[in-house]
Order: sequence, then C-alpha cells, then structure tokens
Amino acid sequence: AQRVTQPEKLLSVFKGAPVELKCNYSYSGSPELFWYVQYSRQRLQLLLRHISRESIKGFTADLNKGETSFHLKKPFAQEEDSAMYYCALGRDSSYKLIFGSGTRLLVRP
Amino acid sequence: DGGITQSPKYLFRKEGQNVTLSCEQNLNHDAMYWYRQDPGQGLRLIYYSQIVNDFQKGDIAEGYSVSREKKESFPLTVTSAQKNPTAFYLCASSMQANYGYTFGSGTRLTVV
Repeated sequence: AQRVTQPEKLLSVFKGAPVELKCNYSYSGSPELFWYVQYSRQRLQLLLRHISRESIKGFTADLNKGETSFHLKKPFAQEEDSAMYYCALGRDSSYKLIFGSGTRLLVRP
Repeated sequence: DGGITQSPKYLFRKEGQNVTLSCEQNLNHDAMYWYRQDPGQGLRLIYYSQIVNDFQKGDIAEGYSVSREKKESFPLTVTSAQKNPTAFYLCASSMQANYGYTFGSGTRLTVV
C-alpha cells in the first residue's frame, strides 16, 4: 500500500542550526513528492515539489529513490521557519495526494 | 484575487443533522478535493473530483457526500451516518494531476 511516513511529530532546534525533516514513502511506481507548510493561522501551502528541483526559503529536498526518502533540509534555521510541515506523495498520473502525519518544527531563539 | 474559499469557518451541528460545507474556487482548476485533518493523523482524503459531474471516493468517504455541478464549486455534505464528524475539513484544488494543490482556509466542524 502507498504510504508516507514522517517519523518525528516534533522537531525542536535552535536558530542557526541545521534542520532535516524526514519523509519516507512506499510506492513502487514513479512518485511525485511534495512538501507543504502551514504557518500559524495561515492556510496550508505548497513549499516545494521534487520535480522543480528548486530551493524555497532556503529549503531543499532531494528525492532518493533507493532509500525511498524525500527529506527536507535547511542549513541554518530561522525562527520564522517554525510551522507544521507535511510531506505528500502523488502517484503517476493520479490526482490524489497521500499526506504524512506532519512534523511540527519549532525554531527557538 | 484568485483563490479558494471555504465557508463557514466554524460550524456546529447537532447529532443526527446533515450539514453542508462550501468550497468555491476561481482559479479555473479542473480538480477539487476534500480532506479531513485530525491531530496526529495528517490529512485523509474524503472525496475528489477531476472534472465537472464526476467524483470519486477517497479513503474515508463513508458518511460523506459531494456534488460537482459547476467547475468552481465542490460542496461536501457531512451526513448523520458519519460516526465521528468533529474535525477540521480542508478543500483544495489543482490544475492537473500532481501539479500541487491550492488549499482553502478550512472549516472546523463540531458536533454538539
């Protein structure tokens, strides 16, 4: 069955420290991976897609098909990065996304 | 401003009542979705629609119904058959498959 696993419910780091939010997926086909972010009192929004290979707000994520992972990384965390982060899996040409349970990132001053 | 609008923001329902949550988009997106968000469980798909007059069940469709009579609108009805309806409901839309979703601001439904 297709699944997205985010093993950490909460990740707490100090400002300026590196951040890695983990995401593992199970799917044997050709996956599309996404990271979504929800800041306090704001709606859920797309952060980045693996196919775009871009860096948004200093975050990057690389799809590792061998390890079936799509971890989100940032070298120096900022307080404004504190939010809920969701990893999501799209499958081939399906419109449906499967979401992980989310990781709350807390960046302390 | 283009976007996706959910209403109401908060909704209280008595047990045994049906309620309808509104979702409207002016992004000209073909596909629309309803997710349910519960603490610690992420988002779970209730229903989705790829085109007008067509929709498919998601993973937790029991106790819910939808319609897609217009491209812009995808209302969700939470029926009395839904055993645990208290939750945060999110509507989303996308231009095409795997393009990434645009989300609404959500409706919090509480059964009293």
